[in-house]
Amino acid sequence: EAGVVQSPRYKIIEKKQPVAFWCNPISGHNTLYWYLQNLGQGPELLIRYENEEAVDDSQLPKDRFSAERLKGVDSTLKIQPAELGDSAVYLCASSQGPIPQETQYFGPGTRLLVL
Amino acid sequence: GDSVTQMEGPVTLSEEAFLTINCTYTATGYPSLFWYVQYPGEGLQLLLKATKADDKGSNKGFEATYRKETTSFHLEKGSVQVSDSAVYFCALSGSGGTSYGKLTFGQGTILTVHP
Repeated sequence: EAGVVQSPRYKIIEKKQPVAFWCNPISGHNTLYWYLQNLGQGPELLIRYENEEAVDDSQLPKDRFSAERLKGVDSTLKIQPAELGDSAVYLCASSQGPIPQETQYFGPGTRLLVL
Repeated sequence: GDSVTQMEGPVTLSEEAFLTINCTYTATGYPSLFWYVQYPGEGLQLLLKATKADDKGSNKGFEATYRKETTSFHLEKGSVQVSDSAVYFCALSGSGGTSYGKLTFGQGTILTVHP
């Protein structure tokens, strides 16, 4: 079974430029998450989807970040414009459901460097 | 809000040594607890989990017991191998309110095992 797929794996952009990350979750997983991982720290949740609905986006900086999951399958996270402090690893994860006992499966991440 | 505290790292051991990585948490209700591992150049993988008090999770020789009385979930392995070198993250998934199903991670512990 294929795992969570993310692309690109690496991205280097100049500040003020836009950037987008794509995620395809494990087949059949209705819940999708985007996390931000700064160097030397644990991941922090940005947004959680149940099918097409964003049910928790309280940690998403909405002035520059946006996300969508139009058909309830794959998802895109966008930053516009990017700032130097956005350099980090962006992780996508999926699970069968939102209950606490469910395991979240993570993709390899997109490493972003903003110059 | 929910929080997870891991022992300060990094940890350096010789092969076949005993490993303990401490993890304590703060959460309301009855969270589920997880250990994830991140090998060099790879994404986060679930190592083990426990979903209720006194449960023991185990995998690949690693064990951790959900201790509600001490709010702890310490990771142990009796004899580490060089291949265990990685970053280990303790995490909890909340059981109520805005934390429901949301993973909160510790800062991670870098483990290096020498031959």
